Amino acid sequence: NAGVMQNPRHLVRRRGQEARLRCSPMKGHSHVYWYRQLPEEGLKFMVYLQKENIIDESGMPKERFSAEFPKEGPSILRIQQVVRGDSAAYFCASSPWAGAREQYFGPGTRLTVT
Amino acid sequence: AQTVTQSQPEMSVQEAETVTLSCTYDTSESDYYLFWYKQPPSRQMILVIRQEAYKQQNATENRFSVNFQKAAKSFSLKISDSQLGDAAMYFCAYRSPSNTGNQFYFGTGTSLTVIP
Repeated sequence: NAGVMQNPRHLVRRRGQEARLRCSPMKGHSHVYWYRQLPEEGLKFMVYLQKENIIDESGMPKERFSAEFPKEGPSILRIQQVVRGDSAAYFCASSPWAGAREQYFGPGTRLTVT
Repeated sequence: AQTVTQSQPEMSVQEAETVTLSCTYDTSESDYYLFWYKQPPSRQMILVIRQEAYKQQNATENRFSVNFQKAAKSFSLKISDSQLGDAAMYFCAYRSPSNTGNQFYFGTGTSLTVIP
């Protein structure tokens, strides 16, 4: 059973460009969480999605950030018009159901904005 | 919102010795989960150990054990017989068992150095 997959592992964008981060949950998991880790900090929750639904986006910045988890395909975290402060590691985690004890983390995508 | 505090930004331990990493948390819930994650330079988050709040017995996984003090809201990690491969960032995390708002809350981490 493959683990949570994220791609790309490293992404470099110039200021003003768009960044698209992809997450494929573990097989059989329909709940996806996105976290952001700024340098020298712990992970901070951004958004929680089920298939075709955003359940909780309380941690996501109101502007420039969006997330989706379509019926088919990976979950996508999109950052429009990136700025230097968006440089961080973005982690995706998945779980099989809403109340599952554990979330399984992917290896992360490191976004660098130049 | 729940908060998780790790007051030790850096710790070091001699190889084969024992080290304890501290974590405190704040919550009004009576039932919850607590975790310790290890993050090596590869940045992959690796689950080290977990504790259910309703269990009084402290969790143990090989050389890793916790001291869970529910009343004090304290959840420390003890690493025995430290090995060079234990060097990493360690994050304490809290999660509510509810079906909504079930994201993890992480502390800021403790960087552990193992001295040969």
